[in-house]
Amino acid sequence: AQKVTQAQTEISVVEKEDVTLDCVYETRDTTYYLFWYKQPPSGELVFLIRRNSFDEQNEISGRYSWNFQKSTSSFNFTITASQVVDSAVYFCALSLGANNLFFGTGTRLTVIP
Amino acid sequence: DVKVTQSSRYLVKRTGEKVFLECVQDMDHENMFWYRQDPGLGLRLIYFSYDVKMKEKGDIPEGYSVSREKKERFSLILESASTNQTSMYLCASSFSRGWTEAFFGQGTRLTVV
Repeated sequence: AQKVTQAQTEISVVEKEDVTLDCVYETRDTTYYLFWYKQPPSGELVFLIRRNSFDEQNEISGRYSWNFQKSTSSFNFTITASQVVDSAVYFCALSLGANNLFFGTGTRLTVIP
Repeated sequence: DVKVTQSSRYLVKRTGEKVFLECVQDMDHENMFWYRQDPGLGLRLIYFSYDVKMKEKGDIPEGYSVSREKKERFSLILESASTNQTSMYLCASSFSRGWTEAFFGQGTRLTVV
């Protein structure tokens, strides 16, 4: 069975702090994709990153970085020097390439000015 | 920019009413999806469509139906709305089934009274 677990329901940090959002996934497939989406208060999910199961390279994009570790089935997301605009709900998702994205339950991040 | 547009942002309907939620995408995507978002449950797939007039059930299709008469439009139908269908409904589209990112609409918050 496929499953994505985001154990952190809510996180609050003070502006400029670093924060890591955890994502643990389960699948028996060897080929899969992992995604992170951001859902700001406006409601629309915004795509952040996609990573395939054969590429364990970590990625950095500005203040965002992602750590993919197959050994622990984790795909964690770190925001460096957080800003108020980072306040949102963040979803991790798993795709097996068929017809569905399996979403975690989301982590609500609040950045306090 | 890809745009996925949902016809209503907020909707209030009475129990037993037939409800139509409309979604239009402008990027000629083959795949379109309807998700339901509830607190603590993440996003759950209701139905998806991979071509005109083609549809497949997702994880929670009961009480819902869909229609895709044109490639750009995907409608979700609540045959007889019930209070347990009060939720946020998100439409999405993607170029290929699971390998590319999905683009989401802004969501429709439906309240059934």
